[in-house]
Amino acid sequence: EPEVTQTPSHQVTQMGQEVILRCVPISNHLYFYWYRQILGQKVEFLVSFYNNEISEKSEIFDDQFSVERPDGSNFTLKIRSTKLEDSAMYFCASSGGTGYSPLHFGNGTRLTVT
Amino acid sequence: GEDVEQSLFLSVREGDSSVINCTYTDSSSTYLYWYKQEPGAGLQLLTYIFSNMDMKQDQRLTVLLNKKDKHLSLRIADTQTGDSAIYFCAEARAAGNKLTFGGGTRVLVKP
Repeated sequence: EPEVTQTPSHQVTQMGQEVILRCVPISNHLYFYWYRQILGQKVEFLVSFYNNEISEKSEIFDDQFSVERPDGSNFTLKIRSTKLEDSAMYFCASSGGTGYSPLHFGNGTRLTVT
Repeated sequence: GEDVEQSLFLSVREGDSSVINCTYTDSSSTYLYWYKQEPGAGLQLLTYIFSNMDMKQDQRLTVLLNKKDKHLSLRIADTQTGDSAIYFCAEARAAGNKLTFGGGTRVLVKP
């Protein structure tokens, strides 16, 4: 069964550094998303992406965040200048295509900012 | 805004049925989902239901939706130790829209 893949599984970075989290969504999906889960808290929506542009973003998704679909397969989340509070599990998801398709999530990237 | 609530914890004996409950506030919710998260793993889609349905069955899983009370439940029949995990309910207004998640229910299955 097709799946969403995320790399790396774990990323450690120093405060102020830039990180890029990578995702390969399911190939025929049209909607792409990033969510995050701070340890012990709810899974929170960050951003959705459709037709090569952001379709919705949350208050969390401020100017230090950006997303890109650089080619036909990858979907990336960049955090420009990481803060300690950016430490979380980041999940990529995809959905859509021919007919209704629910969101399928990747296994996540655990980001630790020191 | 939208809010989704779940109880924190459920303990069940192996072989019994588990029932995990969820309430939501958004009357425009159209799609409701259940995801399972095992330790250190991602969010695995278990099942989903459209708001024009009141029940959906998929092998050991039964989803019940009471749209009037905005209440969603997931019943797992013949619960196994492999069912121990955190279960999240989530809702969305439309296809392609963001999901709003509950806080998750930790299910512990005792032998």
